[in-house]
Amino acid sequence: AAGVIQSPRHLIKEKRETATLKCYPIPRHDTVYWYQQGPGQDPQFLISFYEKMQSDKGSIPDRFSAQQFSDYHSELNMSSLELGDSALYFCASSLGRSENIQYFGAGTRLSVL
Amino acid sequence: QQPVQSPQAVILREGEDAVINCSSSKALYSVHWYRQKHGEAPVFLMILLKGGEQKGHEKISASFNEKKQQSSLYLTASQLSYSGTYFCGGNEKLTFGTGTRLTIIP
Repeated sequence: AAGVIQSPRHLIKEKRETATLKCYPIPRHDTVYWYQQGPGQDPQFLISFYEKMQSDKGSIPDRFSAQQFSDYHSELNMSSLELGDSALYFCASSLGRSENIQYFGAGTRLSVL
Repeated sequence: QQPVQSPQAVILREGEDAVINCSSSKALYSVHWYRQKHGEAPVFLMILLKGGEQKGHEKISASFNEKKQQSSLYLTASQLSYSGTYFCGGNEKLTFGTGTRLTIIP
């Protein structure tokens, strides 16, 4: 069965650079979630989209933005990168919202040097 | 505020049982349970909804006390593959709990 695809798997950037992470949800899934997991931390919800509209917002810095496109894939754009942005970024998708199972991608490991 | 889990860590021998608890100070209308192995993505285990509906794996059971805003995950006859960090998450945007690290030893 198709899973959530994230790219790239690994990304190395320098401070003040920008990064774009991509997420391709499971086919027919209309909801995408982004999470950030720092070393030894639990995943923190960043933002979610339902039917291409932002549906909820968590602890996402103003330097970050995201959108969901017409084909339901989503991109997380991160600017003015800081050392503290180094983390695993997970995308999850679900069919519908609230009571539906979220399936996670393998994550993108971002290292900011 | 994130849900609080207990215990924070537990070590079991293969075949033993474990209970992981999750408590929230905010209203819960659904509870999700995930297991995460180091460096890997969280994997869905169970979702519990208000009214008693559950969706999840056959070998895992859980309870959800809506009034107390608490949930418990029951792992019976644990296997080595059960090792990992267990997270409960509340509601849609999955405010993950503090995590419980489970280690199964032969």
